[in-house]
Amino acid sequence: QQQVKQSPQSLIVQKGGISIINCAYENTAFDYFPWYQQFPGKGPALLIAIRPDVSEKKEGRFTISFNKSAKQFSLHIMDSQPGDSATYFCAASWSNDYKLSFGAGTTVTVRA
Amino acid sequence: DTGVSQNPRHKITKRGQNVTFRCDPISEHNRLYWYRQTLGQGPEFLTYFQNEAQLEKSRLLSDRFSAERPKGSFSTLEIQRTEQGDSAMYLCASRSPGAQGTEAFFGQGTRLTVV
Repeated sequence: QQQVKQSPQSLIVQKGGISIINCAYENTAFDYFPWYQQFPGKGPALLIAIRPDVSEKKEGRFTISFNKSAKQFSLHIMDSQPGDSATYFCAASWSNDYKLSFGAGTTVTVRA
Repeated sequence: DTGVSQNPRHKITKRGQNVTFRCDPISEHNRLYWYRQTLGQGPEFLTYFQNEAQLEKSRLLSDRFSAERPKGSFSTLEIQRTEQGDSAMYLCASRSPGAQGTEAFFGQGTRLTVV
């Protein structure tokens, strides 16, 4: 069964707008939550990651918000740019093995 | 060596044939993971190694699949008697040892098409 559920499946945002992607997980043993960006024909690349001891982490235009009690986390892409057009995957793992459980992905299209 | 290398990038094979993929991880990365990604889905875990030891295999990995990592360096994933349902992108990732080695670096994948 899918351990990480991701929504929406796709979104379109205007240049300069905010993209928000949401994920929910089931396994309370998870203690590492990365977001990956994938372009067509390429492997996923780590964008930003968070551990459950913090509620928010920001790196440049990318912010993760984490709600441990709700078992939810989200990615906010601020000031979206056409180069951000890609598929984004949330994932979760626990630090014993770092075996990643991925969400189904969100295709983001940024219109100029 | 600047990243995880996977070969071949593309493979077309006829149903019933055997195929083998290779993954060269980043040097000194002791953990190596294989994932499978079908169109429109996130990668799914298949198996992983710590050095040369295969520590876990997913239930997705049928008896037709076998993976090795001799000497703890490169790894191979073999699929015997391929089926059309095996068509997917096969991704390899590696990470460094220790508490700081959280990031998994992915290769560009091998896209398998079974006809």
